[in-house]
Amino acid sequence: DAKTTQPPSMDCAEGRAANLPCNHSTISGNEYVYWYRQIHSQGPQYIIHGLKNNETNEMASLIITEDRKSSTLILPHATLRDTAVYYCIVKLYGNKLVFGAGTILRVKS
Amino acid sequence: DAGVTQSPTHLIKTRGQQVTLRCSPKSGHDTVSWYQQALGQGPQFIFQYYEEEERQRGNFPDRFSGHQFPNYSSELNVNALLLGDSALYLCASSSILTDIQYFGAGTRLSVL
Repeated sequence: DAKTTQPPSMDCAEGRAANLPCNHSTISGNEYVYWYRQIHSQGPQYIIHGLKNNETNEMASLIITEDRKSSTLILPHATLRDTAVYYCIVKLYGNKLVFGAGTILRVKS
Repeated sequence: DAGVTQSPTHLIKTRGQQVTLRCSPKSGHDTVSWYQQALGQGPQFIFQYYEEEERQRGNFPDRFSGHQFPNYSSELNVNALLLGDSALYLCASSSILTDIQYFGAGTRLSVL
């Protein structure tokens, strides 16, 4: 079973920041937080991952709370092409990905 | 640099038949994982191969088997197909050094 809880859906206005929350209250000290997204009928796309510190790359930022029990994925300027299912996954290094239901993000013009 | 490639893209089989799906990993990757995604659900882990050995396995019956070749490419075999095996089959490759799984576009299998 997935170890994360995400809202089933969210809406975001085009050009605004999209903030996607994830709860992982049972995370252990050596488990990483990964984010993937899946656009309809395509394979999941890796976005970002982190252990303790906040991370940023060309796609997004990942903010992990100090107690590591929750995190937020931030898409700084959402576009229509960011409409997708976003999955937050907690896992040990080298382990399988366990996908939950994810959050359907709808970006609207 | 090609990403993860899977073949075929679509496949139609009948119940009881056998199917083989293929995956070529991203350049520099040595680990291949397979996932099954039923319509409307998230991907479910089938198994993972590293150094030509099955390293982890999900909750799938023995009808699902795999292989990894010396060039790191991989095959997924499903025997005695059932209607419920209809799904998108995803291959993901990763490096044991970075552990970021990159997915292919998948093979859509329909069992009639």
